[in-house]
Amino acid sequence: AQSVTQPDIHITVSEGASLELRCNYSYGATPYLFWYVQSPGQGLQLLLKYFSGDTLVQGIKGFEAEFKRSQSSFNLRKPSVHWSDAAEYFCAVGEATGGFKTIFGAGTRLFVKA
Amino acid sequence: NAGVTQTPKFRILKIGQSMTLQCAQDMNHNYMYWYRQDPGMGLKLIYYSVGAGITDKGEVPNGYNVSRSTTEDFPLRLELAAPSQTSVYFCASSSQAVNSPLHFGNGTRLTVT
Repeated sequence: AQSVTQPDIHITVSEGASLELRCNYSYGATPYLFWYVQSPGQGLQLLLKYFSGDTLVQGIKGFEAEFKRSQSSFNLRKPSVHWSDAAEYFCAVGEATGGFKTIFGAGTRLFVKA
Repeated sequence: NAGVTQTPKFRILKIGQSMTLQCAQDMNHNYMYWYRQDPGMGLKLIYYSVGAGITDKGEVPNGYNVSRSTTEDFPLRLELAAPSQTSVYFCASSSQAVNSPLHFGNGTRLTVT
């Protein structure tokens, strides 16, 4: 069965500092990978996605993620964090058998300090 | 464009009561999903549907039922509510393409006491 692991429950970074959120997945074939962001009281919003091709993908709000097959990882990065980036971030993997289902990691909550 | 609309936003149920969480989308998406979100657990798939008249179980279907009579609507039914069903419930939809992301509603916060 597919699974997604986000090792960090929460991370605190200073405003203006760089950010990396870790994600590891378990899937036999080439995965469909996503990062979503959830602001308090809201549903999830797609940040970026990877299906094939260039392993470095760009998303909205200045985020990027790099797919590394050898490490089964899909880490999310941002060069300079803004206070408005404080939210919960979810890594997810898509399964294309029997329909198309998305399996989510447990999430990483990002705190930004001034 | 409304996207995915969930009602109600909040609900308190007593143990043993039943209720239906409503979900509607106006994007003509074939795929619809129900997730529950619990602190530190991420989102767990309850049920999903690949089109009108077709539904299937996800990871945590026990205690829930769904139906899909139209493309637009995908209600989630809780029978005999239990405290373990206290959670935030999200409905989502996507187009049939495998590379399409999920579009989420704003969630329903349910408390069972």
